[in-house]
Formats: sequence, structure tokens, C-alpha cells
Amino acid sequence: GAVVSQHPSWVICKSGTSVKIECRSLDFQATTMFWYRQFPKQSLMLMATSNEGSKATYEQGVEKDKFLINHASLTLSTLTVTSAHPEDSSFYICSARSGYQSGELFFGEGSRLTVL
Amino acid sequence: DAKTTQPNSMESNEEEPVHLPCNHSTISGTDYIHWYRQLPSQGPEYVIHGLTSNVNNRMASLAIAEDRKSSTLILHRATLRDAAVYYCILRDRGSGTYKYIFGTGTRLKVLA
Repeated sequence: GAVVSQHPSWVICKSGTSVKIECRSLDFQATTMFWYRQFPKQSLMLMATSNEGSKATYEQGVEKDKFLINHASLTLSTLTVTSAHPEDSSFYICSARSGYQSGELFFGEGSRLTVL
Repeated sequence: DAKTTQPNSMESNEEEPVHLPCNHSTISGTDYIHWYRQLPSQGPEYVIHGLTSNVNNRMASLAIAEDRKSSTLILHRATLRDAAVYYCILRDRGSGTYKYIFGTGTRLKVLA
């Protein structure tokens, strides 16, 4: 099946620094990718829809200047958490939509961010 | 937003069938019903999807109500490895884009 890979799988950073998370579709082209955030014991919350070659679409309440998304190619989307603070600590998960009519999503392994 | 409603948790004995329900009364005519599951500290894993007819694959079966306002994921013989949070998802066609909104999911506990 299709594979989506995230890197890094975990990262620890100091407060105030920026962290970049990469999401790659390994064996298919993804014009649309989605970024989710998940806090402990909670469901996945959609942060933004990443569109190749255009600006991302952010969900209400998600700061676009804090969570920078770049989808420069059909196989790579990046999420940069700028000036990270402890409250940004979370599990970040990306997904890519398959080209099938049914539109299944393929998810990355997730990236756990801990901000000290 | 297209929303789904699932029980928060369910329990099953190992080797027994499990029926995980999902209500999606606001489903649109061409929305597919997707099921995913998530193990701790992992990204969700695709389980099955359907549109109108019941579906079977090696992992599970999906039974879809005739009016499509509900569906049931069926694990025929639960194993300990099936313990996970199961999410029923519809695509949200709002604003012309397809978004996948996760509900709270059902946490399945499998008892040995």
C-alpha cells in the first residue's frame, strides 16, 4: 500500500526555537496533504490542508504565522512550528490523500514534539 | 461539517466478533465512509471504506445501513492486536474541498 513517512519521529527543543517536520509520500504523488495535531487521550484535530503549489488552508483557530506549511512538491509537505512554546508540545500527524475516487488517506507515523 | 458519532469505548473477549457502530446522519450522497484505527503513539491505519454496499477485506467487514445514516465495522475474531481507537470518518465537502474530520472514536479493549 501507499506509504507516507514523517521525519523526525520525535523532537525535543527549547522554548522559542523553531522546529520543522517533514511529510513525504513515498510511492505516490499527493496534491493534497493534511496536518493534524493530537493531544494525549484526545482525537486528531485537523490543523490545515496543504495544497501543492499554493497556500495552505488553515482551520479556524489555527495560527498560520505560527504553523508554517509549505507544499513545494507533489511528494513533500513541511510543517514548521515557529517560536515553539511548551503548549505546542503535541503529536503532529500528516496524511496524504490517495488518487483513488474513494479518497483514502494514508497517514505518517507521527512526530512527537516536546518543547521545554 | 459532516459529523460522526461513536461510543467512547467498547470491550470484547479475544476470538469473539466485535461490532463497532457509527452514526452519520448528515452524510452527503457521494461521501465515502472510512474507518481507521490508531494504536498508541502511531498514526492512524486504514481499515476499510465503503459507499453504499457492504464491504469485506482481510481486516474487517463494513455494514452500511440502507439509508447510509449509520454503519458498523465488524471484526470477525478480535485479537489482542486489535486493541486500538477506531475512527469512523466522512469527508467534509464544505467549501469545495475535501476535509477529513475525526470524531472522538471508539476505544476498543480486547480481553484475553
